[in-house]
Amino acid sequence: SQQGEEDPQALSIQEGENATMNCSYKTSINNLQWYRQNSGRGLVHLILIRSNEREKHSGRLRVTLDTSKKSSSLLITASRAADTASYFCATNQYNNNDMRFGAGTRLTVKP
Amino acid sequence: ETGVTQTPRHLVMGMTNKKSLKCEQHLGHNAMYWYKQSAKKPLELMFVYSLEERVENNSVPSRFSPECPNSSHLFLHLHTLQPEDSALYLCASSQEWGRHTGELFFGEGSRLTVL
Repeated sequence: SQQGEEDPQALSIQEGENATMNCSYKTSINNLQWYRQNSGRGLVHLILIRSNEREKHSGRLRVTLDTSKKSSSLLITASRAADTASYFCATNQYNNNDMRFGAGTRLTVKP
Repeated sequence: ETGVTQTPRHLVMGMTNKKSLKCEQHLGHNAMYWYKQSAKKPLELMFVYSLEERVENNSVPSRFSPECPNSSHLFLHLHTLQPEDSALYLCASSQEWGRHTGELFFGEGSRLTVL
């Protein structure tokens, strides 16, 4: 069954703007991860945040985690056309160690 | 190049055929996964192998049969599939499976079309 749910389903912005994507989940987690997928390709890992962490940065990416609300956000700053892709959150579930993915946010960055 | 190789990249098969998807990783990882990705649906976890033992089988129909002969190779055997099984099948690996499952490394996927 699906664990993470991303919103929005689709996001279109201009180059240089910031993009924020949200993920909500239902059960307790060990960690939460964000992935990127270009059309028809495999997923690429972006960042991992543990359940005892609240914020993490990697380059232009900033991830926050609020375990009390069971939610996470991914912020991409100063977006580029090359950031156009689908972004997925995945949760490592505490009860069974499954890695479950959401349906993703389709991000389009217009040049 | 993620270190996980899937073959074939594209496969077209009839409902009565038998075919196999292959996944290979040379990252020294202990866990391997099969996911199914259908249009506009979340990735569906199908099978997980940890140290060559199946640890997860998410109510997948028996027409999908996984095999993990060693820690570097994972197969998905397909037989008497249905058109709704058409999807992108993704293989992934991770250093370990469990509470400390970290980054998953994905292959490029095998695009399956069932006629």
